[in-house]
Amino acid sequence: AQKITQTQPGMFVQEKEAVTLDCTYDTSDQSYGLFWYKQPSSGEMIFLIYQGSYDEQNATEGRYSLNFQKARKSANLVISASQLGDSAMYFCAMRDRRGSGTYKYIFGTGTRLKVLA
Amino acid sequence: DGGITQSPKYLFRKEGQNVTLSCEQNLNHDAMYWYRQDPGQGLRLIYYSQIVNDFQKGDIAEGYSVSREKKESFPLTVTSAQKNPTAFYLCASSIDSTFQETQYFGPGTRLLVL
Repeated sequence: AQKITQTQPGMFVQEKEAVTLDCTYDTSDQSYGLFWYKQPSSGEMIFLIYQGSYDEQNATEGRYSLNFQKARKSANLVISASQLGDSAMYFCAMRDRRGSGTYKYIFGTGTRLKVLA
Repeated sequence: DGGITQSPKYLFRKEGQNVTLSCEQNLNHDAMYWYRQDPGQGLRLIYYSQIVNDFQKGDIAEGYSVSREKKESFPLTVTSAQKNPTAFYLCASSIDSTFQETQYFGPGTRLLVL
């Protein structure tokens, strides 16, 4: 069954350090997309980065990079040079057909990141 | 500025009352979605629409209804049949509904039951 697993409910990182947020997924589809979103305390979901199942290179967007290991079905988010403003909930999501029909998203339970000054 | 707006930011519902949450987008996106988020949890799909005048049930559609009469609007009604409606509701849209397309979210509506 399609599933997204984020095993770290909470993480701490020192300001200016790098941090990795884990995400594993399970799908039987060949075509799927993996996404990371940031949710600050205001509640809005902010898109960070996308990785397609056929992309051979890891995606990068500024300080964000996605460590995509297809054989292991993992899509970890790496945030470099952490800033205080990075403190938020982070959600991993996958978009696939769930076997048939429309592509739909499934979300993980999130990781709460706290950046320490 | 292009984006997604949701109103109201906070909504209070009395027992047995239907309430409607507004979602508008000016991104010219074909697909729109409604999600529910409970404390400490991820998002769960309520309804989605790939095109005007068409919508499909998501994973937790019971007690909710939607309409898609205009491309830019996708209102969600929380009916009295929804016994536990207190949650944070997020609306999203995407250009279309292929696997590559990113969903963009509105600021959300918090619904509380009095």
